[in-house]
Amino acid sequence: SQQGEEDPQALSIQEGENATMNCSYKTSINNLQWYRQNSGRGLVHLILIRSNEREKHSGRLRVTLDTSKKSSSLLITASRAADTASYFCATEANFGNEKLTFGTGTRLTIIP
Amino acid sequence: DAMVIQNPRYQVTQFGKPVTLSCSQTLNHNVMYWYQQKSSQAPKLLFHYYDKDFNNEADTPDNFQSRRPNTSFCFLDIRSPGLGDAAMYLCATSSLAGEEQFFGPGTRLTVL
Repeated sequence: SQQGEEDPQALSIQEGENATMNCSYKTSINNLQWYRQNSGRGLVHLILIRSNEREKHSGRLRVTLDTSKKSSSLLITASRAADTASYFCATEANFGNEKLTFGTGTRLTIIP
Repeated sequence: DAMVIQNPRYQVTQFGKPVTLSCSQTLNHNVMYWYQQKSSQAPKLLFHYYDKDFNNEADTPDNFQSRRPNTSFCFLDIRSPGLGDAAMYLCATSSLAGEEQFFGPGTRLTVL
């Protein structure tokens, strides 16, 4: 299976703290994406990083990509209660199969 | 606002009774996807369309079929639902395969 794995599976932090989630994958990729899913809802795209990029920022989000280690991390700074959700990484393999493979997800809980 | 719409949001069916889930989009995207997501798991791709070209995942059961009559609409047919088919079904679109995907809110299917 090409499915990525995320670490940790679950994370609880106090509001205002930073949250870091990690994603590992198995194949060479064109890009890696992070999505958020609130309970019982659809996924929302957060950020896309391409294989030739090492770091990307969007608001309170910082994503890094290390293609030599086949891993990525998502950092959420100054967390808020509204950040409580599941976070998934997804990869597009570079053998042109036009689809994303999702990781197992991290369940993030922000404690007010 | 441009969006992806799924109907119904909740669907209850009986074991073996066919059911159809629908998805529509106002984004005018070429690519549409159907995912199955079971509780606390990653979304699993069932099918995707690049324009009218249909792509079936190798492990998608024959019980599942899909139709895309035009750019805006896509349907998921489950011919004989089993208890194991109870899940959230997510529709997504993208302008380019492998790029950012836009998800609908999902249809929660219950099989009695």
